[in-house]
Amino acid sequence: NAGVTQTPKFQVLKTGQSMTLQCAQDMNHEYMSWYRQDPGMGLRLIHYSVGAGITDQGEVPNGYNVSRSTTEDFPLRLLSAAPSQTSVYFCASSIGGWETQYFGPGTRLLVL
Amino acid sequence: AQTVTQSQPEMSVQEAETVTLSCTYDTSESDYYLFWYKQPPSRQMILVIRQEAYKQQNATENRFSVNFQKAAKSFSLKISDSQLGDAAMYFCAQSGSRLTFGEGTQLTVNP
Repeated sequence: NAGVTQTPKFQVLKTGQSMTLQCAQDMNHEYMSWYRQDPGMGLRLIHYSVGAGITDQGEVPNGYNVSRSTTEDFPLRLLSAAPSQTSVYFCASSIGGWETQYFGPGTRLLVL
Repeated sequence: AQTVTQSQPEMSVQEAETVTLSCTYDTSESDYYLFWYKQPPSRQMILVIRQEAYKQQNATENRFSVNFQKAAKSFSLKISDSQLGDAAMYFCAQSGSRLTFGEGTQLTVNP
């Protein structure tokens, strides 16, 4: 099992550009979620999904879109990047509910 | 709303000694989990230990143990026989309606 994979590892964007952060898991987990990690603030929940076709907002959803067409994939879209979105982004999955989360390696995003 | 507070931004310990990291939380949920995650310089989030709130017995995993005080909403992590590889950022987290993380404690292990 590859677990939770994320691509790219690092990305530089210009303000106003859009991009998609990819996340995939091969553990047949129902729950998937996206977090951002900023210095001194821990991880904050952006969006999450409790199953294919079902998504919901987390603590800091503004500026991000998600969709979940398959159990395996949960991409995060930045519609118009802003410097405030410079962060490290983690994708995670769990079997069901907010139990043990399995994290991907993270994507470091720099918005200039 | 759920909140998780880690009041120690930095801690240090001598190799082979014991250190305790503090965490308090606030929730109205009756059924939840508590976690400690470790984040080494590689940035990978690694589960250290998990505690179910309905269990009175404190969880242990080898050199790692917790002191779970449900009434006080306290969940501290004790690392015994500290090793150089334990140096990392440690995050306390609580689940309920969603997963909420504390701000983290940076642990340094001195040889």
